[in-house]
Amino acid sequence: QKEVEQDPGPLSVPEGAIVSLNCTYSNSAFQYFMWYRQYSRKGPELLMYTYSSGNKEDGRFTAQVDKSSKYISLFIRDSQPSDSATYLCAMRRGGKLIFGQGTELSVKP
Amino acid sequence: DGGITQSPKYLFRKEGQNVTLSCEQNLNHDAMYWYRQDPGQGLRLIYYSQIVNDFQKGDIAEGYSVSREKKESFPLTVTSAQKNPTAFYLCASSMLTDSNEKLFFGSGTQLSVL
Repeated sequence: QKEVEQDPGPLSVPEGAIVSLNCTYSNSAFQYFMWYRQYSRKGPELLMYTYSSGNKEDGRFTAQVDKSSKYISLFIRDSQPSDSATYLCAMRRGGKLIFGQGTELSVKP
Repeated sequence: DGGITQSPKYLFRKEGQNVTLSCEQNLNHDAMYWYRQDPGQGLRLIYYSQIVNDFQKGDIAEGYSVSREKKESFPLTVTSAQKNPTAFYLCASSMLTDSNEKLFFGSGTQLSVL
């Protein structure tokens, strides 16, 4: 079993839809949780960074962490075609980040 | 502009050849990392370095080597011992604080075998 599980998709939604992306993890030692966005053949860029359980909002993006269920989510409101990318969750274990395999999102105009 | 520069963007390796991927950063970050990304898979850590002249193996170090002679530079050599080198290679850097592990990535190098 992988330490971090993420549905690879692909996920296709119409413009304006609310998108929900999810990751589960097995190691309760994970403390820091991140979401990265990666456009095709580019390096990932940090989108959201959270530490504690609960919600963190930044514009159209909301990151949610539920440590009791070992589950994290990223919500995108009013999705735009420019949001089409692969979204990677990442979690810190010791001195290293462990990444999920990424979910490919396509937002259709 | 501050950032991480990877070169070349595309690289081809012949059988039995060693190739070196370049990574330079001007963010004054202490730590640097190399990740490998295969289609449909997450990023896997190859090597990382938290200080000049020191580095540690990641999860898939076999067939790779690195050096960290300068804070700004962390080149990766893919040796002939790496039998399946075709992948997208990403270099990253970060500050080192008690809790901060936010990574900044370069734009990647696609390595293919001829």
